Amino acid sequence: DQQVKQNSPSLSVQEGRISILNCDYTNSMFDYFLWYKKYPAEGPTFLISISSIKDKNEDGRFTVFLNKSAKHLSLHIVPSQPGDSAVYFCAAKKNSNSGYALNFGKGTSLLVTP
Amino acid sequence: DTAVSQTPKYLVTQMGNDKSIKCEQNLGHDTMYWYKQDSKKFLKIMFSYNNKELIINETVPNRFSPKSPDKAHLNLHINSLELGDSAVYFCASSPSLGPQHFGDGTRLSIL
Repeated sequence: DQQVKQNSPSLSVQEGRISILNCDYTNSMFDYFLWYKKYPAEGPTFLISISSIKDKNEDGRFTVFLNKSAKHLSLHIVPSQPGDSAVYFCAAKKNSNSGYALNFGKGTSLLVTP
Repeated sequence: DTAVSQTPKYLVTQMGNDKSIKCEQNLGHDTMYWYKQDSKKFLKIMFSYNNKELIINETVPNRFSPKSPDKAHLNLHINSLELGDSAVYFCASSPSLGPQHFGDGTRLSIL
C-alpha cells in the first residue's frame, strides 16, 4: 500500500512563476519529510526536508510547507527556472534517525518553460 | 569525487543467471540502503545496513542477498534472475541524522 502519494504526475510552469508540488501521506507515524529532485539517468538528489515539529522550512528558492492535520506537504519553487525541470519525489520516514527507510511518492515531473 | 558510486551502471543478462551490483560511499556514513525502482517509477526500500549489520529487510525474495564487507560498501547479489527483476536499483547512504544520498542507479535488464 502506498503511504505517500503525489497525485499530479506532471506540472508545467512558466519561467519566473511559482511551482507548487503537492504530496499527501497516510501514516501518522511519519515525522520527517524530504523532497528529492531527479534528472534522467541520475540518482535522486536531496533538496530540502522538514521535521514534523515545524510547519515551514525555507532554503533559497525552495520552501516546504507541512500541514500535519491534513497530512499534506507542498514544495514551492520561486522563481522557477528551466534548470528546475526534473522529477520531484516526496518522501517520508518514521524517524529522523538513520536506518529508517524512506517511503517515496511516485514523483511529479516538472517542466519549466522559458 | 562521487559520493555514492554504483557499478555497473547498466547490466543486461539472461534469465537464470547470477549477478552482483557493487556500491561504495566515501561520505563516512554509517547506514547504507538498497532501493528498487520498478517500471511504474515507484522507489521502494529493499535492505538497510547500519555498521555492517542488517536492520531492514523488506519482503524481498531470498534470491537477493546483500553483503556489507565494511561500512563503506554494500553489495547486492541476485541469484537465478527472473524477468520481474528488471528495474533500476539504487544504493544510498546516510549519516546518523540527515538525508539519504543516492547513487546514480544500476539499470538491470533481463532478457
